[in-house]
Amino acid sequence: AQSVTQLGSHVSVSEGALVLLRCNYSSSVPPYLFWYVQYPNQGLQLLLKYTSAATLVKGINGFEAEFKKSETSFHLTKPSAHMSDAAEYFCAVSDWGDYKLSFGAGTTVTVRA
Amino acid sequence: GAGVSQSPSNKVTEKGKDVELRCDPISGHTALYWYRQSLGQGLEFLIYFQGNSAPDKSGLPSDRFSAERTGGSVSTLTIQRTQQEDSAVYLCASSARQDEETQYFGPGTRLLVL
Repeated sequence: AQSVTQLGSHVSVSEGALVLLRCNYSSSVPPYLFWYVQYPNQGLQLLLKYTSAATLVKGINGFEAEFKKSETSFHLTKPSAHMSDAAEYFCAVSDWGDYKLSFGAGTTVTVRA
Repeated sequence: GAGVSQSPSNKVTEKGKDVELRCDPISGHTALYWYRQSLGQGLEFLIYFQGNSAPDKSGLPSDRFSAERTGGSVSTLTIQRTQQEDSAVYLCASSARQDEETQYFGPGTRLLVL
């Protein structure tokens, strides 16, 4: 079964600064990879997904992620943080033909004014 | 269009009682998933329905948990004889046949077992 590791349970950034959230997966075969965002008391919203079409994936709200097979990583970035980016972010993985998601532990982002 | 809806949004119950949680997937989506989000365990897969195929129940934590999906649409997750450790947010997701890897989540049901 796939597993996902998110480095850092909490990240604090200044408004306007770079946001970098790290995600590593465990598989020799490139899986499907996802980043979801969860605002307080809400469900999960899809930010972006990797499905082997392109290694650099652009998502909503200015986020993007780069798939690096050699590093088994799928880190999420945003060049300039906004106060509205404060939320919890989850990296998730699934296999070809077996679509149930395995999630990382999540990273909570706080944005300082 | 309408997203995934879940009801109730909050449920408080007493230990030992049975509860039913409902999920309405996005119209036309063939796949439906249940996940549980708890402080101790994070986000965990529970069960997966795809069309008329037998469900994948591999994530259900005990035989107190069951789920059904009627008419290929609405799903009900039932927890019998609830325990305090069942307290969690139960999330439902659905996906379309032509984009099966992409799941869209509902707002969840927050269950508190006293």
